[in-house]
Amino acid sequence: DVVMTQSPLSLPVTLGQPASISCRSSQSLVHSDGNTYLSWFQQRPGQSPRRLIYEISNRDSGVPDRFSGSVSGTDFTLKISRVEAEDVGVYYCLQGTHWPRTFGQGTKVEIK
Amino acid sequence: EVQLVESGGGLVQPGGSLRLSCSASGFIFSDYAMHWVRQAPGKGLERVSTVSIDGGSTYHADSVKGRFTISRDNSKNTLYLQMISLRTEDTAVYYCVKDRTYSYDYWGQGTLVTVSS
Repeated sequence: DVVMTQSPLSLPVTLGQPASISCRSSQSLVHSDGNTYLSWFQQRPGQSPRRLIYEISNRDSGVPDRFSGSVSGTDFTLKISRVEAEDVGVYYCLQGTHWPRTFGQGTKVEIK
Repeated sequence: EVQLVESGGGLVQPGGSLRLSCSASGFIFSDYAMHWVRQAPGKGLERVSTVSIDGGSTYHADSVKGRFTISRDNSKNTLYLQMISLRTEDTAVYYCVKDRTYSYDYWGQGTLVTVSS
């Protein structure tokens, strides 16, 4: 199985400041169709996960533009340009290119 | 609006059985593969089971293979997870999740399964 390694696992942030979460895959996530199926999910306390981004950098409907995704090789990054209080929660990456799909361990974002 | 509503969770003794259901609405259920993903208390997300659009193909994580069975009834827009020989490590919130192009786009609110004596 493809291993997805997130870092850091805990991220204390200051309101209004940027935040960045990394997700590294154990192998290339480029699918045979040329696309890269890496998604990011947010799970607020007590809620179900919600997808924020798919295929590296495409934001889902209703997701604020302060969230962005990027890639460098097998290193994927979720960035929050200016953290707001509602961004507190756990963030997971998911690779869908290879079967079975696998999640990262999660990164807990909290306010300092 | 897409809605996924799980039911059937509860407290069960080790070795017991439980059947989860997920009622889907707001999209053409028979057009999408469906999944069960679980989350143990304080832990991360784990894919459990997947069923193809017509129910003809199913996939289960090694941790539940032989004990869990995923199925669907497209005439009722309902997804199921039959769980037998439950273990304490199966304790988790179980989410019904809609497939979308090598990802998951919509999640239910989850149903809690507690396996304990």
